[in-house]
Amino acid sequence: EDQVTQSPEALRLQEGESSSLNCSYTVSGLRGLFWYRQDPGKGPEFLFTLYSAGEEKEKERLKATLTKKESFLHITAPKPEDSATYLCAVQAPHTGGFKTIFGAGTRLFVKA
Amino acid sequence: SAVISQKPSRDICQRGTSLTIQCQVDSQVTMMFWYRQQPGQSLTLIATANQGSEATYESGFVIDKFPISRPNLTFSTLTVSNMSPEDSSIYLCSVGSSYEQYFGPGTRLTVT
Repeated sequence: EDQVTQSPEALRLQEGESSSLNCSYTVSGLRGLFWYRQDPGKGPEFLFTLYSAGEEKEKERLKATLTKKESFLHITAPKPEDSATYLCAVQAPHTGGFKTIFGAGTRLFVKA
Repeated sequence: SAVISQKPSRDICQRGTSLTIQCQVDSQVTMMFWYRQQPGQSLTLIATANQGSEATYESGFVIDKFPISRPNLTFSTLTVSNMSPEDSSIYLCSVGSSYEQYFGPGTRLTVT
């Protein structure tokens, strides 16, 4: 069964304290792995898509990496405005095209 | 990227009634998705709606409860029928491809 597990569930950081979020996945035929940011009361905001092991992508203070079994979202010198829930999702073949399976998310709190 | 709008943004409904949620995209897209996000939970795919064909529902979701229309390449509706308090959730419209997936702002539904 396709599955996505994110850890930790919640992470509290001081401003400037770098850390990583983990996303472990099991999927038949990975088409892509996505990272999203979700603020309270809003829809998820697309951040990255990774396709193959060894791939890395960066955006401001965020860097996403991918292996055959997991992905990491590294946050360098976070600021309070980085506080949000970060969602990981995998895309797999499905009837009619594809489907996207989401993890439960990591709630990040960055304190000034 | 795609810009997605949803109507209504929120609603409070009585048990046993139905609500239709509209999703409008600023560009033509083949695949549209409807998700549910229950309080404190991640996203669960309800169905995939391709223009010109019947929607494909995920396990646990049925057409009688969540009928979907997809009349053209920029618009879709999701109806939540015969509502119960357990249907209280955020409903999200999404469009995407293998490269990226975008979400609307969501419709927050409360059933009393």
